[in-house]
Amino acid sequence: AQSVAQPEDQVNVAEGNPLTVKCTYSVSGNPYLFWYVQYPNRGLQFLLKYITGDNLVKGSYGFEAEFNKSQTSFHLKKPSALVSDSALYFCAVRVFSGGYNKLIFGAGTRLAVHP
Amino acid sequence: KAGVTQTPRYLIKTRGQQVTLSCSPISGHRSVSWYQQTPGQGLQFLFEYFSETQRNKGNFPGRFSGRQFSNSRSEMNVSTLELGDSALYLCASNGGGGTYEQYFGPGTRLTVT
Repeated sequence: AQSVAQPEDQVNVAEGNPLTVKCTYSVSGNPYLFWYVQYPNRGLQFLLKYITGDNLVKGSYGFEAEFNKSQTSFHLKKPSALVSDSALYFCAVRVFSGGYNKLIFGAGTRLAVHP
Repeated sequence: KAGVTQTPRYLIKTRGQQVTLSCSPISGHRSVSWYQQTPGQGLQFLFEYFSETQRNKGNFPGRFSGRQFSNSRSEMNVSTLELGDSALYLCASNGGGGTYEQYFGPGTRLTVT
């Protein structure tokens, strides 16, 4: 079955420290991977995507993600966390079936950045 | 360019009633997807519409339905509401041209009592 796993319910980081939010996937074929962020009472905001090309993808707000095919991972990273980065982060994979496609989301990881 | 708009933002209904939610995608986008977000089940795909045709459907009962109009605006309807239908319903406007990006609206918070 095609799926996305975010093994951590919550990640706590001190402001200024690097952060990593983990994501692993299981899909058939080449993966189309995405990261979204959700702030309270808001919809999801697109951060970045990997379709093909360089394994290190740069996105919005200083975030980047590294695609690792052998480990089937797509971890989200930021060199220096901000308190304003505190939010709910979702990893997603686009799956294709019968000519149609949809996004499958992970359960989400709550990032808490402490001053 | 205006973003995705969803109306209403908040809704309170009683069990057994029906509800209609509306979504206007980004101008020029012809595809709309709907998702249900709950604390227990997370984000689950409901359906996708493209040019007024449903072309993909998630694993939800027939009480959940939708449609898309010629101007790409979409509605979803839930009939015979159950307590478990309480959720945040998110609409996504799908960018074409091979971008595969989805741009989400703020959602409609539905509470069923």
